[in-house]
Parts: sequence; C-alpha cells; structure tokens
Amino acid sequence: GQNIDQPTEMTATEGAIVQINCTYQTSGFNGLFWYQQHAGEAPTFLSYNVLDGLEEKGRFSSFLSRSKGYSYLLLKELQMKDSASYLCAAMDSNYQLIWGAGTKLIIKP
Amino acid sequence: KAGVTQTPRYLIKTRGQQVTLSCSPISGHRSVSWYQQTPGQGLQFLFEYFSETQRNKGNFPGRFSGRQFSNSRSEMNVSTLELGDSALYLCASSLASGDVDTQYFGPGTRLTVL
Repeated sequence: GQNIDQPTEMTATEGAIVQINCTYQTSGFNGLFWYQQHAGEAPTFLSYNVLDGLEEKGRFSSFLSRSKGYSYLLLKELQMKDSASYLCAAMDSNYQLIWGAGTKLIIKP
Repeated sequence: KAGVTQTPRYLIKTRGQQVTLSCSPISGHRSVSWYQQTPGQGLQFLFEYFSETQRNKGNFPGRFSGRQFSNSRSEMNVSTLELGDSALYLCASSLASGDVDTQYFGPGTRLTVL
C-alpha cells in the first residue's frame, strides 16, 4: 500500500533550527511536496523535490533521498510565525498526491 | 490574481441532511481536487475533476459526489450526512491534470454535523 509517515508533533525554540522528517512508500514516484498550514487556514505550498539533494529557499530547505524514500524539511532561524502544521505529500505514478497526517510544530520563545 | 475561493466557509447540518459545497479555482486552472481533513488523519482525497470529467476518485462512499462546470467551478455534494462527516473540506486547483503540478488550496468549508 501507499503510506507517508511524519512525526505528529515537534517543539523548538525561537531562533533555533528544526528538521521535520518524512518517509514515503508509493506506487511510482513523481516528486515530494511540502506544505505549511496555519491553524484554521489553507495549506500553502513550500517546496517540491524530485531529484536527490537539498533545495534551499531562504530560511527553508527541503531534502530528498529517492533510494531511501525519505525527505526532510529544514527550518532555520525559527520565528514564532513558523508555528504551524507541515504537510508532506508524495506524488505517485498516477500523479496522485498521497498525504501524511502532518507535523504540528510548536515554537517556544 | 485571485486565489481559490470556497463557499460557504462554515456549515452546520443535522444527520440525514444533504449539503453542497462550492469551489472556484484560480483563473486559468482547469483541475479541481477535493479533500477531507480531520484531526490526526491528514488530507484524505475525495476526487479530482478536469474539464468537467472526474479523473480520479478516492475511497469514499457514494454519498460523496461532485461535478465540475464549464467555467471550471466545482461543487461537491454529501447526501445523508453522518456525524463522521464533520470535517474541514478543502478544494485545491491546479493548471492541468495528469502531470506534476502544484496544487493551490482554498480556505476550506468547515462542516459540522449534529
């Protein structure tokens, strides 16, 4: 079957760095998406990886290892506004997104 | 460019009733996907429409149905509501279907079934 695993909740301190992991098993693979969702709001697109390696976008970076079925989202210089849920989704061979349950990130001052 | 809009934003219904939710995609986007989101369950895929045709369907009972109009606006209908249907219903639009394309989400409709 198809499956995405990510931690349910993580806590980090303002100004620090946090890494949110995601492992996936899909029928075929057409890339890995990360979305951010603030409470009560719509998910917003953060990143897309299809090749192995690290993609950096300001304070946020996303990494992919296709051979390990593994991705992570790295958030640097954490700010209180980064408190949100982070959703990992893998696209299968039918271009269907398979979603993880999301990781709730709590930032403490 | 206006984002994805969904109406209504909030709904309260009782068991057995039916409900229709509406989604207007970003201008130029022809694909609309619907998701159900409940705490701890993540996004559960309901269906995807492209050019007025259902392209994909998730594992939901037949009480959940949808359609898409020629202007790409989409509606989903849930008949004979059950308590377990209480959830946030999100729609997402993308330019095309059957390709790698970023989905852009609307704010959702929060449905409460009493």
